[in-house]
Amino acid sequence: DIQMTQSPSSLSASVGDRVTITCRASQSISSYLNWYQQKPGKAPKLLIYAASSLQSGVPSRFSGSGSGTDFTLTISSLQPEDFATYYCQQSYSTPGTFGQGTRLEIK
Amino acid sequence: QVQLVQSGAEVKKPGASVKVSCKASGYTFTSYGISWVRQAPGQGLEWMGWISAYNGNTNYAQKLQGRVTMTTDTSTSTAYMELRSLRSDDTAVYYCARDLGVGELFDIWGQGTMVTVSS
Repeated sequence: DIQMTQSPSSLSASVGDRVTITCRASQSISSYLNWYQQKPGKAPKLLIYAASSLQSGVPSRFSGSGSGTDFTLTISSLQPEDFATYYCQQSYSTPGTFGQGTRLEIK
Repeated sequence: QVQLVQSGAEVKKPGASVKVSCKASGYTFTSYGISWVRQAPGQGLEWMGWISAYNGNTNYAQKLQGRVTMTTDTSTSTAYMELRSLRSDDTAVYYCARDLGVGELFDIWGQGTMVTVSS
């Protein structure tokens, strides 16, 4: 199975900050990388697919980049509703493994 | 609107089975697959398997082979996930998700079903 490693595991930031979360795959996954947001007690929500494509309805302050093994999710200006846990997931090969998550907290 | 609605919480004893349902609406059920993903308390996300709503083909995570069965009922646009021989480490929230078929890519998720395994 492909291992996905996110960093950091947790992050404290303030409203208006620019935040970057990193995801690294244990082997090349081309651009088959997706990002999800999960709030407590809720199901995950698809934010970014194919490394950099914004899912319909997701605010443009979210962006993704990368290919091969290294990827980033950037939030350009944090809003109060963005404090959540973020997961990367590879869809290059089965099983579609997830990173361990990055918890984004209010500073 | 497009949505997946899951059945309610379950409490089971070790060794028992559980069957969770996931009813789709707002789209053509047979045009997409359904994946199941679980999340143990305070933990990350684990893909369990996938079923084609078109022809019933399945693909299960290796660690669950032999204990899990995924089925669909196209007459009611409902997917089911049955897990047998339950253990305490099967305690988790179980999600169904619409699978877009480009690897495992999930654009719509059910609300989740808490399954507690306890003696």
